[in-house]
Amino acid sequence: DTAVSQTPKYLVTQMGNDKSIKCEQNLGHDTMYWYKQDSKKFLKIMFSYNNKELIINETVPNRFSPKSPDKAHLNLHINSLELGDSAVYFCASSPQRGSYSEQYFGPGTRLTVT
Amino acid sequence: SQKIEQNSEALNIQEGKTATLTCNYTNYSPAYLQWYRQDPGRGPVFLLLIRENEKEKRKERLKVTFDTTLKQSLFHITASQPADSATYLCALSSGGSYIPTFGRGTSLIVHP
Repeated sequence: DTAVSQTPKYLVTQMGNDKSIKCEQNLGHDTMYWYKQDSKKFLKIMFSYNNKELIINETVPNRFSPKSPDKAHLNLHINSLELGDSAVYFCASSPQRGSYSEQYFGPGTRLTVT
Repeated sequence: SQKIEQNSEALNIQEGKTATLTCNYTNYSPAYLQWYRQDPGRGPVFLLLIRENEKEKRKERLKVTFDTTLKQSLFHITASQPADSATYLCALSSGGSYIPTFGRGTSLIVHP
């Protein structure tokens, strides 16, 4: 069974559109995350979500909004897509909120905005 | 500002040799440090975690050292194999935040 899954794997869309990426984890973890990996391979945290507490990276435009229907799911909605949003987006989860938790990543969603 | 530096140049080594990757950091007081492996088109995979009060951690052919005085972690793969070829990322978390900050990663290429 896949531990952290994301859909879709690839997403090609035009500027101005609104899109969503879905993430599910079957590990029973408490905390989930969204990361963005740009063309230079930097992996940057966007959001962390733990038991209804959302921690937002202040550099993330408010066009991006995470939505968590339950503990196992954390979806990412993006409004008014821009060219600069093109990147690979990774969902991740960790067992507990705290100092010593490793992260489990999904396979990534490659978003291309044209 | 806080920085995590990993060698941007790929490390090329011969099969059977020990690969050593470096992670240097500035303006951090990390509580712990992690190493991940990332293959092309895939998400990072956790390998090892080492705490600030630990000098060394081992797992099979992998060894991580953590020197808070030098502000450096070394990641070793002994008896390297072509299957070890991947990008290796280090990630630091300070006591104030449990969310790790990732380095850019170093590509390792093991030649048969």
